[in-house]
Amino acid sequence: DAKTTQPPSMDCAEGRAANLPCNHSTISGNEYVYWYRQIHSQGPQYIIHGLKNNETNEMASLIITEDRKSSTLILPHATLRDTAVYYCIVRLRDSGNTPLVFGKGTRLSVIA
Amino acid sequence: NAGVMQNPRHLVRRRGQEARLRCSPMKGHSHVYWYRQLPEEGLKFMVYLQKENIIDESGMPKERFSAEFPKEGPSILRIQQVVRGDSAAYFCASSQRAGAIHEQYFGPGTRLTVT
Repeated sequence: DAKTTQPPSMDCAEGRAANLPCNHSTISGNEYVYWYRQIHSQGPQYIIHGLKNNETNEMASLIITEDRKSSTLILPHATLRDTAVYYCIVRLRDSGNTPLVFGKGTRLSVIA
Repeated sequence: NAGVMQNPRHLVRRRGQEARLRCSPMKGHSHVYWYRQLPEEGLKFMVYLQKENIIDESGMPKERFSAEFPKEGPSILRIQQVVRGDSAAYFCASSQRAGAIHEQYFGPGTRLTVT
């Protein structure tokens, strides 16, 4: 699986959009970009994934650059409950038995 | 996180004791994954099991750690002769279909403290 690079921490004002970047310059053509988050003292929670088109669901939007070397997770109206560590993972969608690789992620602090 | 149960949520053991961590997957899920999270670190994969079989244990320490997922009952992660370095949060995840990570549902974790 390709390596990802994320900033260690970010702040965001409550109600504003949170834009979390992820670099994955070695991504291969059939690897997807997945985002998970981990709220303090809880297990990771799946947010969204995509291949090359932008994706949106009830939680967030995922913008993937045309060359697929980077992506941005957008939380359109951040709330205090969105304070968490956000992990960007690049992986084949059906990777069989290969393990998930979590980096250190970005610690997002949403401030009132 | 709904559906994956882990117990106990908190476990304190003295050095040299055994720790047994339990994971009950979501109903209908036959694949279980264990991860360990050291303080201020990301999650690290330990082992992947399917009912009665260990599929991938490449992340398991070679000694003192073992895992099982019997035909009946929860998956068990067992740590023998615990040391302070084993203090961590241990998460399990379950899935219905092998490898599809967005279908892996994580439990709330067991926080092991070794004194």
